[in-house]
Amino acid sequence: TAGITQAPTSQILAAGRSMTLRCTQDMRHNAMYWYRQDLGLGLRLIHYSNTAGTTGKGEVPDGYSVSRANTDDFPLTLASAVPSQTSVYFCASSEGRYNEQFFGPGTRLTVL
Amino acid sequence: AQTVTQSQPEMSVQEAETVTLSCTYDTSENNYYLFWYKQPPSRQMILVIRQEAYKQQNATENRFSVNFQKAAKSFSLKISDSQLGDTAMYFCAFMNPPGFYGGSQGNLIFGKGTKLSVKP
Repeated sequence: TAGITQAPTSQILAAGRSMTLRCTQDMRHNAMYWYRQDLGLGLRLIHYSNTAGTTGKGEVPDGYSVSRANTDDFPLTLASAVPSQTSVYFCASSEGRYNEQFFGPGTRLTVL
Repeated sequence: AQTVTQSQPEMSVQEAETVTLSCTYDTSENNYYLFWYKQPPSRQMILVIRQEAYKQQNATENRFSVNFQKAAKSFSLKISDSQLGDTAMYFCAFMNPPGFYGGSQGNLIFGKGTKLSVKP
């Protein structure tokens, strides 16, 4: 079972460009999440989705948007990247909002 | 707002020894969830252990156990018989339960992590 896949694995992006990070889960989990991990700051929640068709803002949502058109996919879009968005991005999913969260392998994004 | 503090940025332990990682948190709620996650050099985030605040018994998972002190708002992780594969970043995390009206119910709030090195 693949679990959660993320693409790309890593990316270098010019400031001002747009980028969509992809996340797909095959566990039929209802809830999905996007986190960013910065050195010395741990993981911080960007956006979440309780179920297909709904999304919510986390701790650091500015500069990011998400959509949840179906159960399996939860893409994260940076409309106009800035260097402060350089980070490792993790997608996660859980059966319900309060269940164990399973994490993908992460995407390392560098904005120059 | 809830906060999670891990006061030990780095720790090391000899193989087969026992080590304890500290975590404190701040909340005014009576019921909540606490977690320890492990992140090895592979970058994968792995759940180690979970504790519900209403349970007085400390959670255990094989060589991993917690010392949950609710009044002190402390949630330390003990790793017994440390193995080289335990080398990783360890993150403590807090979650508000269903019914919490602060707007962040179900969100994981992470500490900054403790880097553990197990030495042969």
